[in-house]
Formats: sequence, C-alpha cells, structure tokens
Amino acid sequence: AQSVTQLDSHVSVSEGTPVLLRCNYSSSYSPSLFWYVQHPNKGLQLLLKYTSAATLVKGINGFEAEFKKSETSFHLTKPSAHMSDAAEYFCVVSPPGSARQLTFGSGTQLTVLP
Amino acid sequence: DVKVTQSSRYLVKRTGEKVFLECVQDMDHENMFWYRQDPGLGLRLIYFSYDVKMKEKGDIPEGYSVSREKKERFSLILESASTNQTSMYLCASRRGQGNGYTFGSGTRLTVV
Repeated sequence: AQSVTQLDSHVSVSEGTPVLLRCNYSSSYSPSLFWYVQHPNKGLQLLLKYTSAATLVKGINGFEAEFKKSETSFHLTKPSAHMSDAAEYFCVVSPPGSARQLTFGSGTQLTVLP
Repeated sequence: DVKVTQSSRYLVKRTGEKVFLECVQDMDHENMFWYRQDPGLGLRLIYFSYDVKMKEKGDIPEGYSVSREKKERFSLILESASTNQTSMYLCASRRGQGNGYTFGSGTRLTVV
C-alpha cells in the first residue's frame, strides 16, 4: 500500500522569496516519486521525478526536491519564487516496476504575491 | 513531444444521459489512464488500460466503464450521468513501466 500527504493545502510567498512545498509519503517498498504542476486551465506537467538514483533531483523552472528516506519526505523547493510559479502542485508516489497507477496527494495551491 | 488529446474541454450533460469522454495519444503508448480531479482530493484513478482491449479498475470505478479498441484511443463512459460525477476528468498515457506520464488538458464535465 502507498499514500502521500501534502502538508499544506495553500502556500503564499512573496516574489523573490524561497518556496517550500511539503510532501510525506508512505510506502512498503522503495517508490518512485514525482512532482507535477497544474496551471489554471492547463493539463498536468511533470516538474521532476525521483527513481532511486540521486537523492537531490533537479527539475524544470528552477525547482528541485530532495528524497529523504529516513523522514519519508520529498519536499519541493525553489530558491526564488516567480509570479509564473503560481499554480497547484501535486506530489505523487508510484510503486516501482508496476504498470499500475500513481497515487496523488491532495495538492498545494501556491500563490505568489508581488 | 507526446500529445494526449481530450476531445472536449467543457461538457454539460443532463442527469441520466450516457456520456462519452474521448482520449487519444499519438506516441504508441501501451498504458492509458482516466482520473478525476476534485478539490481537496487530488486525482483519483477511475480505470486504466495496459494494452488494447485490456482494462483494470482503479480506485473509483463505480458508475464508469471504459473502452480501448485501438491502442491510441481510450474512452471513458458514464452509463447514466449523475450530478456527483461533475468533475474535471484527466486522461494520461505512458509507454510502460518506469516511464513518465503525459496528461491531457482535461475535460470539465458538469452534470445538471
């Protein structure tokens, strides 16, 4: 069984300040982990993924995430927020070696203030 | 780039109608998925298919069925639409295990 918890449903930051979106997962095996972003009226876009290689994963648009097995966390960070980062972000877990589905977190709405 | 195309962006249907949501991908992916997205619940898997004519139930299959007659097309069917099926529906595909998913832009269905 697997599950994923996004600890904040809404996060507000000022433009130019760091972004931290928190994600904890539960899995009985070594999972694959993803972050997806969804801008208003757009489809989901993959930001980055962790698949048991380097624990610090770099994604698109300056985002990165660190896999911490001891804390079962996969938090998403960005050093400096941009207005275009305002969107909904989903943390996702998937069992390895399986054609089955992803399990999505409930999402975090990121607001960037000018 | 892989494209996943959902035929309708917005749909309004009446209670009891039979509704077809179509999804087409252009990169010969084996796996295709249907999710619904509701505020505060994230995305929940309705059905998925790992090959032509193959289908498996996801977490919330009740009230839905699917069809995969051709590899590129995966249809979601609401046999008798109900108001609690008002939602955003997202289709996704991927080549196989270990590969990333590509999502369509979604269909926002309103059942009145």
